[in-house]
This record gives sequence, C-alpha cells and structure tokens, in this order.
Amino acid sequence: DVKVTQSSRYLVKRTGEKVFLECVQDMDHENMFWYRQDPGLGLRLIYFSYDVKMKEKGDIPEGYSVSREKKERFSLILESASTNQTSMYLCASSPGQVTRGYTFGSGTRLTVV
Amino acid sequence: ILNVEQSPQSLHVQEGDSTNFTCSFPSSNFYALHWYRWETAKSPEALFVMTLNGDEKKKGRISATLNTKEGYSYLYIKGSQPEDSATYLCAHTAAGNKLTFGGGTRVLVKP
Repeated sequence: DVKVTQSSRYLVKRTGEKVFLECVQDMDHENMFWYRQDPGLGLRLIYFSYDVKMKEKGDIPEGYSVSREKKERFSLILESASTNQTSMYLCASSPGQVTRGYTFGSGTRLTVV
Repeated sequence: ILNVEQSPQSLHVQEGDSTNFTCSFPSSNFYALHWYRWETAKSPEALFVMTLNGDEKKKGRISATLNTKEGYSYLYIKGSQPEDSATYLCAHTAAGNKLTFGGGTRVLVKP
C-alpha cells in the first residue's frame, strides 16, 4: 500500500521556535506539496517541489521555507513560529502527470502558543 | 479569494436520499479537475480526475460530471449512507502539476 507519512499527528510549539514538519513518500513520486487547511479557506498551497533540490512558492509562502534533499522527503520549516501559523498541515505527492491524483498524508495539527 | 468555488459549504442528507453539489472553476486554460473525499481523522482520498468536457465518472454510488466550457462539475451521491459523511473537495489545474482547491462541501448523512 503506497503511503505518504507525516512525522507527527499533533504538535504544540511556542512562539518564536523553529519548527520542522517532515513528509516522506514511498512511491517514487516526482512532485511533493505542502498545504495548510483552515476553516472556510480550503486547502492553500504553501510550497511545492517538482524534483530533488527544486522548490517553488505556492500561494502563501510567507513565514515558511522547504527542503528537498532526497526525492522521497519534503520538509516544511517554520523559521520562527507565530500563532497565526496554527493550522492543519497536509503533505501530498503525485507522479509527473497532472491527470493522476494526489496521495495525501494524514496531516499534522500544529498549535503555536 | 478562491477561484475554485464549491457550494453549498455544508449539507445534511437523510439516509437513502440522493444529493448533489457543485464545483465551479475558471473555464479558460483548463487542464484537469479532481475530486477528493476527506473523512474526519483520515487523509483526503482521490475519487476522480477528469480532463475532457462531458466526462462522466462513477465509483459505486458516487458519480461526477464535467463541463469545461462553462466551468463547473457536479458530484452526485445516490442513496446516501452514513459512511458517505465526509468533506468533498474539488481541485482544478490549468497547467503543470499544481492544484487549486475549493473550500469543500461538508456532507452529513443522518440515519
């Protein structure tokens, strides 16, 4: 069974901390994505990557960075966590063709206090 | 502002009834339209990917249609069951592999 695994289901961090959210996929997919989901706003794209060491800004990249050193791993970094980054974070991966659906991880609910 | 709009935001359905809801998206430069089902405490699961105007896809009691000229897609659930309770997301892509998601329709099926 193919999988996208996110390292934590729930996370509580303090304002100003540097936070790492990890995502690993075992499907050899080229594309990986980070979204956040907030009530009434749907899934909003933070960053995505088409290949190792490549990254592209999504719609809301401010306050975030990413790292993709290996094909299977895509990390989301909150450089200095703030309370407005409290959210559900979803990682997804997909093969090269856009006609194939995304495979999502189970999400990380991050609370910044 | 979402340029992929879903309506309604939520709906309650009696078990056994059929229902449908809408996704609207930009009709220019269309490439693909995706539907996902997201159950509470689980990952979003891909239902359909549609690319051609007039496409109809079916998976069990759930089906979807696509009109790319006018920029809308309908999702239908026939004979709703409690296990159909979920948030249904549509997503659109104009180019590349980046999807833009709508806000979702939350469906609650009451026994």
